[in-house]
This record gives sequence, C-alpha cells and structure tokens, in this order.
Amino acid sequence: KQEVTQIPAALSVPEGENLVLNCSFTDSAIYNLQWFRQDPGKGLTSLLLIQSSQREQTSGRLNASLDKSSGRSTLYIAASQPGDSATYLCAVEGNNDMRFGAGTRLTVKP
Amino acid sequence: GAVVSQHPSRVICKSGTSVKIECRSLDFQATTMFWYRQFPKKSLMLMATSNEGSKATYEQGVEKDKFLINHASLTLSTLTVTSAHPEDSSFYICSALPGAAGANVLTFGAGSRLTVL
Repeated sequence: KQEVTQIPAALSVPEGENLVLNCSFTDSAIYNLQWFRQDPGKGLTSLLLIQSSQREQTSGRLNASLDKSSGRSTLYIAASQPGDSATYLCAVEGNNDMRFGAGTRLTVKP
Repeated sequence: GAVVSQHPSRVICKSGTSVKIECRSLDFQATTMFWYRQFPKKSLMLMATSNEGSKATYEQGVEKDKFLINHASLTLSTLTVTSAHPEDSSFYICSALPGAAGANVLTFGAGSRLTVL
C-alpha cells in the first residue's frame, strides 16, 4: 500500500522568502504526482501535475520536481507572499488509487 | 486519524447503466464533501461540493443530471453516474471536511476507477 508523507507539517516564513515543501512516497510505481493547495474550508486547487516520465514542472513562482527512484518530490515556492498561506498537499496516483499526504500548512507573514 | 472510505474502488459497467459510488467518513462527521474527477494525464478536477441536507453545488461544465450527488447524512455522500457512457470512464475521488470548528483539513477517499464498456 502506497504511503505518502509530507514534511514539514507546518511552516511559517516571512514574506519574500523562498521555501521548499517535501513529499515522499513508498512505492515508485506511480502514474503521476500532483501538488494542490487547500484554503481553509475549501476544496483543492490544482497547482502542478508531474507525469511519471517527467522530472519537473513549473508554473509562475512554483516549481515541482519528481524523483521516482528515490520516492521524492519537492515543491519550491519563490518569493513567497501572504496570499500563498494555505495547506499544500501532494497526491500520488497509482494503478487503482490516489494517495494524499497529510499536507504542509504554510503561513507567510507580511 | 480521520478516515474516508470510498466504495467501490473499481467498477466496470456497460454503457447505459447507472453506477453509484459511496463516500463515507468513518470516524467523524463531514458537513461538506467534495467530488473530483481525474482524466488520464490531467489534473484532478473538482466536480461538485455537497453539503449535508442541501443540494450540491456543481462546477461549471459539470452536468447535474448526469452526476447525481446526494449527501443525506453527515457521514455519507453518494455520486451516481447516470446512463454511463465510455467517456465517463475516469477516476473519481471524494474528500470530506470535518464539521468541527477549525477543522479545515480535507480527508480523502482512495478513489473509484470507473470503466464504461
């Protein structure tokens, strides 16, 4: 059974800092890995999708990398802003299921 | 911790039949549940938000009559794909938001893979 772990569970940074969120998974046989953000009381917003054959994806200030062999992905956020404050989740899709990490709660202080 | 059970995990059906997928919160009450769909090689797409005891709110482009959502209790939401066609084949996943004040972290089911022949 796939297990997905996110570290750290919570992170607080001052505005403008660059930061990295980590996601690890135990089974490298995946179709893709996705990063989402969740705002309090809301559903998910998709940020980046990395197919199993890809190594990274970029969107604006966000860059996500994937290393299947080591079972790791990182989400890099450049020049963080207070509006980036949210819970960030990674999810791994396998053959018959999708497993989510518990999330990293990010707070960016003005 | 909070657990969401989704059933069935995999279903194959003939075109024209209806399929019901259940999403249950096992150890907490979920006032809000979300239903998502994932197309191959695409991002997860939010289909609808359901609140217990009221009608679901569908995202733009999602057919309400095609994807019936019922959230009749605080622990169960169902998604029924009516008159399924091959293009409805997809991976459907639900998530639940606990009803406790300040509990704003989603818990996800493991998903249901629907194949329509």
